[in-house]
Amino acid sequence: KAGVTQTPRYLIKTRGQQVTLSCSPISGHRSVSWYQQTPGQGLQFLFEYFSETQRNKGNFPGRFSGRQFSNSRSEMNVSTLELGDSALYLCASSFIGTANYGYTFGSGTRLTVV
Amino acid sequence: ELKVEQNPLFLSMQEGKNYTIYCNYSTTSDRLYWYRQDPGKSLESLFVLLSNGAVKQEGRLMASLDTKARLSTLHITAAVHDLSATYFCAVDTRGNNAGNMLTFGGGTRLMVKP
Repeated sequence: KAGVTQTPRYLIKTRGQQVTLSCSPISGHRSVSWYQQTPGQGLQFLFEYFSETQRNKGNFPGRFSGRQFSNSRSEMNVSTLELGDSALYLCASSFIGTANYGYTFGSGTRLTVV
Repeated sequence: ELKVEQNPLFLSMQEGKNYTIYCNYSTTSDRLYWYRQDPGKSLESLFVLLSNGAVKQEGRLMASLDTKARLSTLHITAAVHDLSATYFCAVDTRGNNAGNMLTFGGGTRLMVKP
């Protein structure tokens, strides 16, 4: 079956711009979560969506937002980009409620802010 | 706040040797995951540990979970160069609004030398 698809794979943006990243989960998976990976801070939880509702958010400023659509696809948006937002953004999907509870990660979007 | 500590952070090994990576965490959780990450790539799921005493093995890697000690180990047997990568443990916890989130350790960068 198809895995988790993230687009685009690479992005270069200028400080002050905004960016939207997309994540299509595995078919049937209704939970999508987002993580930021940087060399300095490691892997950090951004937020999680289930059935179009954000259930949890990590310790990130309000410039980071997201949403989930009825087909479970999710987008995250970062406004007023800062140099420190340069990172690998990973999306994970999971199927809540099975014994094989786990997370499958997409290939990531590497964002560079210049 | 949940803390997940991995050690060592860097491990250089000779091929054929055995070693263990440790993952300690600071709060109660019954679910812990191990991931592998190659440079510039996403996270590849290695093991899903869902209960106290869980032990899983795949090839030269074996993972275990002791929820009472809040400790998981990833044991490498007879290391080969192909195992060179960064390994992360991640603890799955429930957030304030019913959703789950992963808290990652800092990662162990493994280099296996011939």
